[in-house]
Amino acid sequence: DIQMTQSPSSLSASVGDRVTITCRASQSISSYLNWYQQKPGKSPKLLIYAASSLQSGVPSRFSGSGSGTDFTLTISSLQPEDFATYYCQQSYDTPTWTFGQGTKVEI
Amino acid sequence: QVQLQESGPGLVKPSQTLSLTCTVSGGSISSGSNYWSWIRQPAGKGLEWIGRIYTSGTTNYNPSLKSRVTMSVDTSKNQFSLRLSSVTAADTAVYYCARDRWNTGGYSFDSWGQGTLVAVSS
Repeated sequence: DIQMTQSPSSLSASVGDRVTITCRASQSISSYLNWYQQKPGKSPKLLIYAASSLQSGVPSRFSGSGSGTDFTLTISSLQPEDFATYYCQQSYDTPTWTFGQGTKVEI
Repeated sequence: QVQLQESGPGLVKPSQTLSLTCTVSGGSISSGSNYWSWIRQPAGKGLEWIGRIYTSGTTNYNPSLKSRVTMSVDTSKNQFSLRLSSVTAADTAVYYCARDRWNTGGYSFDSWGQGTLVAVSS
C-alpha cells in the first residue's frame, strides 16, 4: 500500500495567516492527490483534486501544488470557517485508496 | 446535486455482521463513470477507505478488510450496501458512503453522506 504522511499533525494559526500543509507519499503518485476538509461532526468535503484543481464552489484562497511524492495545500488567508482538519488522499494505487492521518488547524 | 444517506443499525454485537445501506438521491446511481464507496472513521481518528462498487457489480476492497467485506448495488432503488462480517470493537466507527467520481487526473470523493455511527458491543 502507498502510505501518506501529513505534516504537521496540528498547527495553531490566526485569522489572516497563510497556512501550508504538507503531504508526502511513500512512492510517486504523479498528480493523483486530493485534499479534503472536515469540521467536527461533519462529513469531509472535497477541496482540491488532481493535486491542484479547485473543486467547484471552493473559495480561491485554497490552492494545491506538487507532484510525484510531495504535495502542499495552502490557505492564502485563513478565515474563521477554515478551522478544521485537513486530509490528503491518493488515487494512484488503483483501487486501494489511502488517506493521510490528518492535520488539525486550530486557533 | 446528488445526495447520499446512510441507514442501518447503530449497534451490532461482536462476531455478527454489520449491514448498512446508502440511498442516492438527486441523480441516478447508474449515471456517469462513478464508483460508490464506503469509508469509515473511528472516533477521534482518521479516514479509512473500505471499498467501492460500480453499478455493474464490480467491486474493489481494501486488502486489510477484504476477507470480511461484501458490497452490493440495487440500481432499481438507487442504493448500494455494505456488509462487514465478524465484527469486533475495532470496527466501531462512523461509516460514510461517498461517490467516487472520475475527473481528469483521477478519482475523488466529491459527494458524501452525513455518516452513521455504528458501535460494536454486547
